[in-house]
Amino acid sequence: DIVMTQGVLPNPVPSGESASITCRSSKSLVYKDGKTYLNWFLQRPGQSPQLLTYWMSTRASGVSDRFSGSGSGTYFTLKISRVRAEDAGVYYCQQVREYPRTFGAGTKLELK
Amino acid sequence: EVQLVESGGVLVQPGRSMKLSCAASGFTFSSFPMAWVRQAPTKGLEWVATISTSGGSTYYRDSVKGRFTISRDNAKSTLYLQMDSLRSEDTATYYCTTGGFDYWGQGVMVTVSS
Repeated sequence: DIVMTQGVLPNPVPSGESASITCRSSKSLVYKDGKTYLNWFLQRPGQSPQLLTYWMSTRASGVSDRFSGSGSGTYFTLKISRVRAEDAGVYYCQQVREYPRTFGAGTKLELK
Repeated sequence: EVQLVESGGVLVQPGRSMKLSCAASGFTFSSFPMAWVRQAPTKGLEWVATISTSGGSTYYRDSVKGRFTISRDNAKSTLYLQMDSLRSEDTATYYCTTGGFDYWGQGVMVTVSS
């Protein structure tokens, strides 16, 4: 199975600042079509997860352009610009390169 | 508006069975693969199973293989998860989601305990 390892944020993050969340995969997530099969989600307290980005850097419908995904085949970053109160919650990366689909353990973002 | 509404969660004893349902609306259900994801209390997300558009292909995590069965009824726009031989470690909130994980239900709690 592909293991997804997420970094820790130095919480709390001051409102208006930027935050970068890291994720590493144990195997390249680049498929033969050239796409990188990495998703990012935000789960706010008491809510269902929300897809933020897919194919590593493509924002999902309705997602603010303050969220941007980047990376290589095995190392990924989700950058949140001008952090706001509504960005608080747990962020998960997920690989959809192969089965079983696997998630990282989550990175908590708290705001100051 | 896309809606996924799960039902069927309850308290069940270890070794017993339970079937979850997910009623879909607001999109062409038969055109999308579907999946179940679970989350144990205070824990992270865990993919459980995925089914293709026709239902002809299914995929499971190892820990549920042979015990859980994902299925769908495209005429009813409904996704199912039949869970047999339940264990305490299956206790979780179960989410129905589209195969691309872009839409999620509100989740249904399943508690396996004697």
